[in-house]
Amino acid sequence: DQQVKQNSPSLSVQEGRISILNCDYTNSMFDYFLWYKKYPAEGPTFLISISSIKDKNEDGRFTVFLNKSAKHLSLHIVPSQPGDSAVYFCAASTGNQFYFGTGTSLTVIP
Amino acid sequence: EAGVAQSPRYKIIEKRQSVAFWCNPISGHATLYWYQQILGQGPKLLIQFQNNGVVDDSQLPKDRFSAERLKGVDSTLKIQPAKLEDSAVYLCASSLGSRTEAFFGQGTRLTVV
Repeated sequence: DQQVKQNSPSLSVQEGRISILNCDYTNSMFDYFLWYKKYPAEGPTFLISISSIKDKNEDGRFTVFLNKSAKHLSLHIVPSQPGDSAVYFCAASTGNQFYFGTGTSLTVIP
Repeated sequence: EAGVAQSPRYKIIEKRQSVAFWCNPISGHATLYWYQQILGQGPKLLIQFQNNGVVDDSQLPKDRFSAERLKGVDSTLKIQPAKLEDSAVYLCASSLGSRTEAFFGQGTRLTVV
């Protein structure tokens, strides 16, 4: 029972362009959403979060958008840099535990 | 600020053997999580502690997995006996509370042969 889904296993983007990573969820009780970035052989590192009372949160080059009616969130990276190449996981919480998606591997081509 | 420490980084064992992983969370973090990440999947919560009490262990295979968090700080996760399907990365994470972001350790990669 996958409550958080990332349907694109991989994404390639040219350096300087926008990267858009998508995430869908099924549980309407989720009220806190996060994005994590993971490099090989390292644990996930927290990137950005959003509460369900907002529809957008921005931190530098990273912006997360939340569409509650569609149960969809997305992460925008502008401009994309080669160092952004990693696996990105979205996660959602009801306040007790986090449920993770399966990840999207982003490759930023120089 | 020191991050979440885990050891060992890698472990190879034969099936039916036992193994233990150790985690030291960020100082002051009351919530500690153990996740299992199988290749190609997202992290799956095994157990969540609040201080030294268990909040959620609904997905922990209790016939073979056990975890404890003594004194509300360090934690150990044990598997006994191990099965082939336990091969995964075991991630420990900690947070100030259940509604704040979790910080992850580097993980322990377990291979059961």
